Amino acid sequence: DAMVIQNPRYQVTQFGKPVTLSCSQTLNHNVMYWYQQKSSQAPKLLFHYYDKDFNNEADTPDNFQSRRPNTSFCFLDIRSPGLGDAAMYLCATSREGGETQYFGPGTRLLVL
Amino acid sequence: AQSVTQLDSQVPVFEEAPVELRCNYSSSVSVYLFWYVQYPNQGLQLLLKYLSGSTLVESINGFEAEFNKSQTSFHLRKPSVHISDTAEYFCAVRVMYSGGGADGLTFGKGTHLIIQP
Repeated sequence: DAMVIQNPRYQVTQFGKPVTLSCSQTLNHNVMYWYQQKSSQAPKLLFHYYDKDFNNEADTPDNFQSRRPNTSFCFLDIRSPGLGDAAMYLCATSREGGETQYFGPGTRLLVL
Repeated sequence: AQSVTQLDSQVPVFEEAPVELRCNYSSSVSVYLFWYVQYPNQGLQLLLKYLSGSTLVESINGFEAEFNKSQTSFHLRKPSVHISDTAEYFCAVRVMYSGGGADGLTFGKGTHLIIQP
């Protein structure tokens, strides 16, 4: 089945230690999104890739960066995680001009 | 900019009773409307969506939502809930483009539906 895959499902890191979260998709969609969802809050868009074009939301901290080496994969890099970065990170994809976004299962990040 | 308001953070209801989860939105441009469901420690699953056409949309598991443009609402309803419907429900909007476009979703804060036996 075509799907959006996120690895790992749970990630524990130390305060200030860089961490990378991974997302892959078999839908061949050209748009990929990263959302941050803190406990009991709505998901919030961090940035998205339209093909190789990176689009950062205005209020996304510089601590968060992303890479998309090819159509299938997209990575979220947190350069120096703080305690406030503990959250569920959701990856989503859509077709160009498509109305619907398809979400992966998420990676729950814990910062110690 | 768009915004979504889900008026109830938590809705308890007895099993087999009807339920309505409220969603209102604000936007200066036309939007697509969505309901997503999230089970504990899982990602978001699309429940149903309104893109155009009939204002009443239905999902395969008995949920329905009605788009009301004059009231800028997209309330979610189910005539008879089951224990398995216990989850967090998010209403979301996305700008409607005439062609292309890749904006993200703007979500409401979510409504926790609690089904009581």
